[in-house]
This record gives sequence, structure tokens and C-alpha cells, in this order.
Amino acid sequence: DAGITQSPRYKITETGRQVTLMCHQTWSHSYMFWYRQDLGHGLRLIYYSAAADITDKGEVPDGYVVSRSKTENFPLTLESATRSQTSVYFCASTQWMAGAYNEQFFGPGTRLTVL
Amino acid sequence: AQSVAQPEDQVNVAEGNPLTVKCTYSVSGNPYLFWYVQYPNRGLQFLLKYITGDNLVKGSYGFEAEFNKSQTSFHLKKPSALVSDSALYFCAVRDPRGSNYKLTFGKGTLLTVNP
Repeated sequence: DAGITQSPRYKITETGRQVTLMCHQTWSHSYMFWYRQDLGHGLRLIYYSAAADITDKGEVPDGYVVSRSKTENFPLTLESATRSQTSVYFCASTQWMAGAYNEQFFGPGTRLTVL
Repeated sequence: AQSVAQPEDQVNVAEGNPLTVKCTYSVSGNPYLFWYVQYPNRGLQFLLKYITGDNLVKGSYGFEAEFNKSQTSFHLKKPSALVSDSALYFCAVRDPRGSNYKLTFGKGTLLTVNP
């Protein structure tokens, strides 16, 4: 399917476990982003990537790791999950064009619960 | 640093009445501004953007927004609200002078349109 997909859509895990959230886009967009959405905080940027093998920290990166070996994939790993990481996670992508700035396209989200 | 504020957590309006969802921003230069909508259990959907040019921007589903540089505002408007417009609305800003391409989102405004 064309677009941006996330898996799993729902995940329940326990404190201390490693969890990986997957993000895949079919547009060959250069830029990809991970956000978390929490009540009262809106969306906060965790990590972003300009291209394969280029990643950088966002606003709330602690406890998360990303990689981007292929343009279309941008997995987010919680190395040792904590209850404070219970949230809804959104992946997004966009393509830079000279002289313009395109909007970001969002995936459907992953609802993660850490017990 | 760029920031955006949505001063109202919730807006209620009767169907058929005009609606306004407020957004103010803070950036060093001329901003890129965006509005997104989120329906329950869905990802964010792009509504409209202001990059440059006409201060009145028209977007999807009959929405429009007015860029006001002197008031640093970018309020979302619709002349006649529908019950189906009920959703969570996010304003976002990017400083185009920056070397990154990150968006900063507001905390969101929950719009409820009453029949």
C-alpha cells in the first residue's frame, strides 16, 4: 500500500523490555520524523532523519534509539521501556523541494502501553 | 527558538455557525505555518499551510486561515461548521531560516460542533 504505515498499531509491554516500533513509507521521502503525543503536551519530536544514515535528536530523545539504513524505513527502539514512555507514537515524512517546504505526512500511530 | 501557542484547549460551536481556532507563534524570521487535524484514533492530516504570499490561505474541507504578521497569529476559520468537523486541531510552525526542518506543534485544540 502506498503511503506511510506503522506497526504494530497497539503494543503492551513491561518495564525494562526493549521495544521497536516500525515505520515504513513508500514515497521515497528524504525526511522522516518520530513524535510522541501526550495529553497536555501535544506532539513532541523524538528523533528525525534527513536521509539514510543521517539522524539527529529532537526535543525528547532520552531512552530512544533510531536507525535508518534504508530510505523507506525508520524504526524507533525503546531500549529499556519505562512507564513514562506510555504514549501514542507517530511517524511522519516529508520531501524537501527547492524554494518550498512540503507538509509532513503522518502515519496512523502506535499506541504503546508500558506496565 | 520557535514556538507556537494554542490558547484554547477546547472550542465549542453550534453547527452552521462560524468557527475560529486560535494560534499564535514565535519565530525569529518569517514563519512557515501549518494546520493539521486529527480524528479519533487516526494520524494527523494536513489542512493548509502558509509559506509566503497572500495572507488568507484556503485549505481542505472548507477551512481557511489568516496570517497576521503584526499579531503573530495564524487563526483557523470556517464560515459554517459541520458536526463532522469535530476533531483535535494542531497548529505548527517552522522557522525557515534554520538549518533544520523541524516543526514545532501546539498542544492542540479540541473542537466540538454541536448539532
